[in-house]
Amino acid sequence: NAGVTQTPKFQVLKTGQSMTLQCAQDMNHEYMSWYRQDPGMGLRLIHYSVGAGITDQGEVPNGYNVSRSTTEDFPLRLLSAAPSQTSVYFCASSYSTGRGSPLHFGNGTRLTVT
Amino acid sequence: DQQVKQNSPSLSVQEGRISILNCDYTNSMFDYFLWYKKYPAEGPTFLISISSIKDKNEDGRFTVFLNKSAKHLSLHIVPSQPGDSAVYFCAASARTNAGKSTFGDGTTLTVKP
Repeated sequence: NAGVTQTPKFQVLKTGQSMTLQCAQDMNHEYMSWYRQDPGMGLRLIHYSVGAGITDQGEVPNGYNVSRSTTEDFPLRLLSAAPSQTSVYFCASSYSTGRGSPLHFGNGTRLTVT
Repeated sequence: DQQVKQNSPSLSVQEGRISILNCDYTNSMFDYFLWYKKYPAEGPTFLISISSIKDKNEDGRFTVFLNKSAKHLSLHIVPSQPGDSAVYFCAASARTNAGKSTFGDGTTLTVKP
């Protein structure tokens, strides 16, 4: 059981480039989300999805796009990378949107934008 | 405005002693609280949670206390072990936004042998 898998682990982009961070879970979880973590700060919610075909914005959605065509996959797209998007990105999933359902996180993607 | 605050960026304790990590929140709609633990180069992992209908929840060496009137919760680790050295995040969610957890900035715990 792999849990939540994120690829790549590391990525360096030039300003203006676009890329997709991949996230897949094999737990048949209904809920998936993307967070970013900046140094000395907590995790901030970018986008989330409560099921296939349904996505919504989190706290810091600007500059990012998501889609949820299957239950398993929730890719995060950077449309035109900016240095302010240098961060560690975590994908997370949970069994349901119920408050008693804790998040399962991937191991993160460390992104540097130069 | 930060709705979940962990005011101590770091904490150092001796092995075998108690570790107390604190968390304050401002949003009175929050009614479920979770603690996550994070090792370097890994994602956070769930540790323990508490609902607002309780004031204490215990799981082995870990106990979370909730003081709703003070909007304060704390995580107690007894006894602390070197393997507990990690970053601990407090998170909160509300029934009205069940899909969205708000995280604090984390506290780095170092347990010295």
